[in-house]
Amino acid sequence: DAKTTQPNSMESNEEEPVHLPCNHSTISGTDYIHWYRQLPSQGPEYVIHGLTSNVNNRMASLAIAEDRKSSTLILHRATLRDAAVYYCILRASGSARQLTFGSGTQLTVLP
Amino acid sequence: NAGVTQTPKFQVLKTGQSMTLQCAQDMNHNSMYWYRQDPGMGLRLIYYSASEGTTDKGEVPNGYNVSRLNKREFSLRLESAAPSQTSVYFCASSEALLAGQLSGELFFGEGSRLTVL
Repeated sequence: DAKTTQPNSMESNEEEPVHLPCNHSTISGTDYIHWYRQLPSQGPEYVIHGLTSNVNNRMASLAIAEDRKSSTLILHRATLRDAAVYYCILRASGSARQLTFGSGTQLTVLP
Repeated sequence: NAGVTQTPKFQVLKTGQSMTLQCAQDMNHNSMYWYRQDPGMGLRLIYYSASEGTTDKGEVPNGYNVSRLNKREFSLRLESAAPSQTSVYFCASSEALLAGQLSGELFFGEGSRLTVL
């Protein structure tokens, strides 16, 4: 199964943009790139997903490299409430492979 | 607007005891999942159910059994609890098993914290 690689931790200042990277060099053509985040003592929550094109929603933007071997989750203005573990996951469309969560990136937002 | 509801939220067991974690979703989703999360780790899939009447093993199924009681409910049973099963358990659901036309977004419950002494 295709796996993802993320930095263990990142820091950002409040109200500044944050770019969270993810490498997925073995991604297949039918894998969707999903991002989830997990706030302390809560279950993960969906953030955004994409296949080939960049995507925007009310929470974040997802920038996908042209070769799809990497992607970046962009939080445009980090707030203290954005401090969480962010998971980059590949979601298959052509098989019954399931979402596998790695250890993610712990984002710390400094006031 | 409950989403995914898990019970109980906390449980302490002694080694060898059995228990069932309950999960229910009110979003009319077809697929449901059980994950476990150990301290400082990501989530590992225990079992999943693509649709009512079907269940399949995930990454770490040993020591667990599941039942997809109906479309809404998916339970996880520990027949003989062991200290290695001390973890936080998350139930999740999605419209469909596969991504594609549907986003495949997973909706998670708040978790059930289990301690086995």
